[in-house]
Amino acid sequence: GAGVSQSPSNKVTEKGKDVELRCDPISGHTALYWYRQSLGQGLEFLIYFQGNSAPDKSGLPSDRFSAERTGGSVSTLTIQRTQQEDSAVYLCASSLAGTEIYEQYFGPGTRLTVT
Amino acid sequence: QKEVEQNSGPLSVPEGAIASLNCTYSDRGSQSFFWYRQYSGKSPELIMFIYSNGDKEDGRFTAQLNKASQYVSLLIRDSQPSDSATYLCAVWTSGSRLTFGEGTQLTVNP
Repeated sequence: GAGVSQSPSNKVTEKGKDVELRCDPISGHTALYWYRQSLGQGLEFLIYFQGNSAPDKSGLPSDRFSAERTGGSVSTLTIQRTQQEDSAVYLCASSLAGTEIYEQYFGPGTRLTVT
Repeated sequence: QKEVEQNSGPLSVPEGAIASLNCTYSDRGSQSFFWYRQYSGKSPELIMFIYSNGDKEDGRFTAQLNKASQYVSLLIRDSQPSDSATYLCAVWTSGSRLTFGEGTQLTVNP
């Protein structure tokens, strides 16, 4: 079946502009995660959605970052007034549920470059 | 102290050898442990997960968990050049999320 999809695959933007990144999870997966991976680094947790519960936003690095998930499916990560340090690969993952027994499946990522 | 630490790389082994990748974690309450493989320019893919102390084998891969020592490892037997990738250790912590190590880059030389 279809995996996690993300769009765009690449995004180049000027410093100060806003960007929106989209994630389409695997059908039936109630948990959705956003991570950020800078060059040569591990994955940094950003935000977690589980069903209709309030999201865990504790990983968002600043108030310029926000995310929403509509209808328990598609999610959008928005970065306002982008800075050069926001340049990274943004990865979305989904799992059947947000517990420790379910593995997370990753999308192909969006490479964001802020010039 | 980082929540999840992996042995510094890069690690280089000859084809056919055993590659040993190590990971320690700080949250003693962690219950689930995952190994992901990430090829350059690609997203992580799950190789194995382990919940119980001891060994878990899947083909050429063996995950080992020692909760008392807060240590988890991944052994790759009969390493192949196609195993060359970065291996990420991830721990499900009490914060209800996966915390990743920075990864160990493995190169298998033909």
